[in-house]
Amino acid sequence: ETGVTQTPRHLVMGMTNKKSLKCEQHLGHNAMYWYKQSAKKPLELMFVYSLEERVENNSVPSRFSPECPNSSHLFLHLHTLQPEDSALYLCASSQDPGGGNTQYFGPGTRLTVL
Amino acid sequence: GQQLNQSPQSMFIQEGEDVSMNCTSSSIFNTWLWYKQDPGEGPVLLIALYKAGELTSNGRLTAQFGITRKDSFLNISASIPSDVGIYFCAGQTTTLGSNYKLTFGKGTLLTVNP
Repeated sequence: ETGVTQTPRHLVMGMTNKKSLKCEQHLGHNAMYWYKQSAKKPLELMFVYSLEERVENNSVPSRFSPECPNSSHLFLHLHTLQPEDSALYLCASSQDPGGGNTQYFGPGTRLTVL
Repeated sequence: GQQLNQSPQSMFIQEGEDVSMNCTSSSIFNTWLWYKQDPGEGPVLLIALYKAGELTSNGRLTAQFGITRKDSFLNISASIPSDVGIYFCAGQTTTLGSNYKLTFGKGTLLTVNP
């Protein structure tokens, strides 16, 4: 596989469920990102990891918990979500988090919280 | 925080027509990126611009980095049905402590009538 992959592509969960989103990048990049995309709103940056270390947490509720075990994998653990958390969750990677880098996106996970 | 104004919000054109969309900001950016997103997929990078005044082409697409570093435009020539999608601009600064943040526009929805 090439590029940035995400699984699952679609997820429906209840508010009491615990689930995880997975992202894998095959580009040899050092930085990975989680974004939330809601209808009619700009992409919202959630978390940034550089060399497996979290360098940005954009005031995201604690019901979202990221994990980066190595530079190729990124997880987003979900628990006790709310219906307003339904959105497309996008993972991205870049060579490094510095200025001038280009981010490459995965296909996203469409999350629906009932 | 930084905001990008992307216009138009949507466009309906006939196949073969040229298209132009732009983004403006009250802040200076050091990098401008243009992405296209198809339904149910993640954004795909079209063109990256790194210098003020830079004009870059990718097939039928041409983008420019404004001289003031506060704006960018994307042109699509001789549109075809597969150009349908949402086009996003994104700007990046290199401010210390936040140089990995991309600010996204809200997108331009392009519809091409055959």
